[in-house]
Amino acid sequence: AQTVTQSQPEMSVQEAETVTLSCTYDTSESDYYLFWYKQPPSRQMILVIRQEAYKQQNATENRFSVNFQKAAKSFSLKISDSQLGDAAMYFCAYRSETNFGNEKLTFGTGTRLTIIP
Amino acid sequence: EAQVTQNPRYLITVTGKKLTVTCSQNMNHEYMSWYRQDPGLGLRQIYYSMNVEVTDKGDVPEGYKVSRKEKRNFPLILESPSPNQTSLYFCASSLLASGEQETQYFGPGTRLLVL
Repeated sequence: AQTVTQSQPEMSVQEAETVTLSCTYDTSESDYYLFWYKQPPSRQMILVIRQEAYKQQNATENRFSVNFQKAAKSFSLKISDSQLGDAAMYFCAYRSETNFGNEKLTFGTGTRLTIIP
Repeated sequence: EAQVTQNPRYLITVTGKKLTVTCSQNMNHEYMSWYRQDPGLGLRQIYYSMNVEVTDKGDVPEGYKVSRKEKRNFPLILESPSPNQTSLYFCASSLLASGEQETQYFGPGTRLLVL
């Protein structure tokens, strides 16, 4: 079974600075997807960024980018120019490409990000 | 607007009183799933459904039932709720096996307290 580990329960960053959230995962599969979800105080789950394992190029979405190291099974999220609206719980998630019929996301335990004005 | 809706959003109940949390999506998605979120544990899958009348257990199915009689609806049923089912519940839906463009849409969550 796959597992996802987020070793930083809490992080804080000064507004406008850059912060990196860590995520490692364990799998024996070669084809999979990785995600970062944001959960603000409203509790809504919002997709931040997606990475396909077969792609070597790191995904980027505006101020959000990832550092995907497939051999090391590492998937960190970098937030540049942090804004107050980035304050949230961030979850790393894994989805198998071979688990036909079940699009299950396996989540880490989350990192709570605080933005310091 | 494409969305997943859940009702109720908040629920306080007592042990043993049957309850149903509804989930509905308007995107014609085949796949639907329920998760529960608990502090320090992230989100864990309870049940999922590949299509109408096709459901299967996730990682934590004990104490829950589901049904999928219509494509758009996927209710979560707690026949005899217990305090350890106090949690935040999310419904999610997506197209099935649509490759890299697939996105799972999450509902707004239902916070359940079982006394």
